[in-house]
Amino acid sequence: SQQGEEDPQALSIQEGENATMNCSYKTSINNLQWYRQNSGRGLVHLILIRSNEREKHSGRLRVTLDTSKKSSSLLITASRAADTASYFCATDHNNAGNMLTFGGGTRLMVKP
Amino acid sequence: DGGITQSPKYLFRKEGQNVTLSCEQNLNHDAMYWYRQDPGQGLRLIYYSQIVNDFQKGDIAEGYSVSREKKESFPLTVTSAQKNPTAFYLCASSSGGWETQYFGPGTRLLVL
Repeated sequence: SQQGEEDPQALSIQEGENATMNCSYKTSINNLQWYRQNSGRGLVHLILIRSNEREKHSGRLRVTLDTSKKSSSLLITASRAADTASYFCATDHNNAGNMLTFGGGTRLMVKP
Repeated sequence: DGGITQSPKYLFRKEGQNVTLSCEQNLNHDAMYWYRQDPGQGLRLIYYSQIVNDFQKGDIAEGYSVSREKKESFPLTVTSAQKNPTAFYLCASSSGGWETQYFGPGTRLLVL
């Protein structure tokens, strides 16, 4: 069963615009992670935010976490064509036996 | 060069045949995972192992088997009981718990 669900499923923007992806989950978590996957490749870890954190930055990435709403957002600023990929959130939760559960992903296309 | 490798990149299976996908890591990670990804979908957990000589079923273990005889290696066998094996298979490792997972490049399995 999927704990995290991303929204939107697909997003198309022009280079230079910002891209925002959202993730909602159902049960309480210890941390939430965002991963990126280029077509036909493995996933690459982008950022981890713990349940006691509200916002985290890494380069052009900004992640927020609202535990009261059970949601997180990933913002990519000043997007580039090279940002074209699928983005997944992954959550743990206390009764999951130390596993991560991945959502279905947001497919981002950045047009040059 | 530290990392996680998977082989082969492409694998073809005939009806009734068992095939084994290789996953090796030199990150000294205790935990290893196998995921299945269908086109346009997220990741589903097949099996995971938190320590050598121990492994647990994930959400979709039927038709698959694994072994964990060495810390570095976590091979996945797709048995003839798996009736719809065509998918992209991803292996990952982590230091354990809910920490960052590091992914291999994946193996694409096709049925002849």
